Amino acid sequence: DVKVTQSSRYLVKRTGEKVFLECVQDMDHENMFWYRQDPGLGLRLIYFSYDVKMKEKGDIPEGYSVSREKKERFSLILESASTNQTSMYLCASSPSYNSPLHFGNGTRLTVT
Amino acid sequence: DAKTTQPPSMDCAEGRAANLPCNHSTISGNEYVYWYRQIHSQGPQYIIHGLKNNETNEMASLIITEDRKSSTLILPHATLRDTAVYYCIVRVAVRGGADGLTFGKGTHLIIQP
Repeated sequence: DVKVTQSSRYLVKRTGEKVFLECVQDMDHENMFWYRQDPGLGLRLIYFSYDVKMKEKGDIPEGYSVSREKKERFSLILESASTNQTSMYLCASSPSYNSPLHFGNGTRLTVT
Repeated sequence: DAKTTQPPSMDCAEGRAANLPCNHSTISGNEYVYWYRQIHSQGPQYIIHGLKNNETNEMASLIITEDRKSSTLILPHATLRDTAVYYCIVRVAVRGGADGLTFGKGTHLIIQP
């Protein structure tokens, strides 16, 4: 079974802090994704990557950056956390362009 | 990607078949229909996908109408663990790219004991 592991289940950070959310997949997948999920707004795509060191903006990239130095790891970075970035963050991976996405269980981030 | 319409909620009795409808009347020829579900406090879970033909796997069956404007996900013998939000998504596959899925609000399926 594909395993997508997000490093933290719950995280509390202060406004202005730099925050790193880590995601690792163990199936040699080419593509990786970061979403955020908010009540009433559903899942929204922040960034995705289709290769090492490659990244593409999703629908809501503002306030975020990403890093993919190794194939199995995709990091989401909040350069200066703000309260409106309090959300559930979901990482996903897929092997190729027309394959299902496999999701991690999410990181619930609270920015105070 | 084409937009989908799903009922916001549905009930089903445990042990019965759950039939979840999805309307995707603007779907284009190269768009696949995907179904995911999300159980409370977990990430979305892939269920099944198809292009034109009906599909079946160990979790569910997917019935796509001949004109491809709607589809139905069937859980043949629903259990309490099938209570979740079910998302129907249409997605074009771009070779060489990695387009993400666009999730709508889904259907909250509640299995009643």
